[in-house]
Amino acid sequence: DAKTTQPPSMDCAEGRAANLPCNHSTISGNEYVYWYRQIHSQGPQYIIHGLKNNETNEMASLIITEDRKSSTLILPHATLRDTAVYYCIVRVAAGNKLTFGGGTRVLVKP
Amino acid sequence: GAVVSQHPSWVICKSGTSVKIECRSLDFQATTMFWYRQFPKQSLMLMATSNEGSKATYEQGVEKDKFLINHASLTLSTLTVTSAHPEDSSFYICSARGVINQPQHFGDGTRLSIL
Repeated sequence: DAKTTQPPSMDCAEGRAANLPCNHSTISGNEYVYWYRQIHSQGPQYIIHGLKNNETNEMASLIITEDRKSSTLILPHATLRDTAVYYCIVRVAAGNKLTFGGGTRVLVKP
Repeated sequence: GAVVSQHPSWVICKSGTSVKIECRSLDFQATTMFWYRQFPKQSLMLMATSNEGSKATYEQGVEKDKFLINHASLTLSTLTVTSAHPEDSSFYICSARGVINQPQHFGDGTRLSIL
């Protein structure tokens, strides 16, 4: 599965949109982009995934560039409860493993 | 949404004890379950993958005789840490997936402390 690169940390203002970038320049045509987050002392929580089209659900939006080499997770109105480590993972749909990298530690500030 | 329940949430026991952790998928049939381990300030590391009714596949460096995995039904997998020692103290997290192209969902983890 392709490797991803994320900034180690970022701060966001409460109530503002949080834009979390992820680079996956070696992604293959059949690999999806998955986003999870892990709030302190809990298991990871699934957020969203996509292949090439932009996706939106009740939690977030996922914007994937046309060449699929990078993506952005958007939390439209960040709250203090969105403080967590966010992981961007690429994997083939039928693949078994979710391999976690370092993720981005997001701190939402009042 | 999909729910994965993990029990117990935390356990403290003496060195040499064996500890069993349960992972249940509550509202879907989990054909594949995964066990991860996470040390403080580190990312999750996959330990093993198990398919219902089959032997688990362990990642390199994970001792299969120490970390016994049983996935006897489509809703239950167990991880037994045998003869646990202080270095086995960690946060153990299970994950489950139903249909093959659906996302994995995670339990809330088990914090294991070996004294």
